[in-house]
Amino acid sequence: ETGVTQSPTHLIKTRGQQVTLRCSSQSGHNTVSWYQQALGQGPQFIFQYYREEENGRGNFPPRFSGLQFPNYSSELNVNALELDDSALYLCASSLGVLRGQNEQFFGPGTRLTVL
Amino acid sequence: SQQGEEDPQALSIQEGENATMNCSYKTSINNLQWYRQNSGRGLVHLILIRSNEREKHSGRLRVTLDTSKKSSSLLITASRAADTASYFCATDAWFHGQGAQKLVFGQGTRLTINP
Repeated sequence: ETGVTQSPTHLIKTRGQQVTLRCSSQSGHNTVSWYQQALGQGPQFIFQYYREEENGRGNFPPRFSGLQFPNYSSELNVNALELDDSALYLCASSLGVLRGQNEQFFGPGTRLTVL
Repeated sequence: SQQGEEDPQALSIQEGENATMNCSYKTSINNLQWYRQNSGRGLVHLILIRSNEREKHSGRLRVTLDTSKKSSSLLITASRAADTASYFCATDAWFHGQGAQKLVFGQGTRLTINP
């Protein structure tokens, strides 16, 4: 158990809909990263939030957006869902963004299916 | 794009045997981490090895790092059925001009331990 929780566990949506996924970081961690993992692939970095600000973004379109709250929990929002958005979405929390402090602790993930 | 490449993509061995997985990467790193994932669930952090380290042990796990060859290996000794999982290596990558530090994953090695 990492102390990182995600909700919901599973979600089914249809194309064009919007979805919000939630993540609670491990106690004391101020940095949250989101990853998308397609079936049979390794996780791909979406973006990272540090102290409520987006701190870096991977190669994902603007319809992927996020928030981080004062308690360091986070949301991932995806608008205009496409079939290819079907994946496991993982959040990871870490203590900080300094070099050598990038041990990231992952939650169990949210399985999103887009029909 | 994925930085790490795991080899082999799939490995099947008998319980009690040793399992070796390899990872190659492309750019310089601060550290390299290995994660385990059971049946498409969350990632479990196994071990972190820093760029100035050559070998690290944790229980039945032994990780080596060769920065001159940009490669790492994970050895699991005396394998057990519970070790059946996918194993990923992840390297860190910094965003130029930003503070974000993301993990870049390979596609993983699917390890099956046969009783």
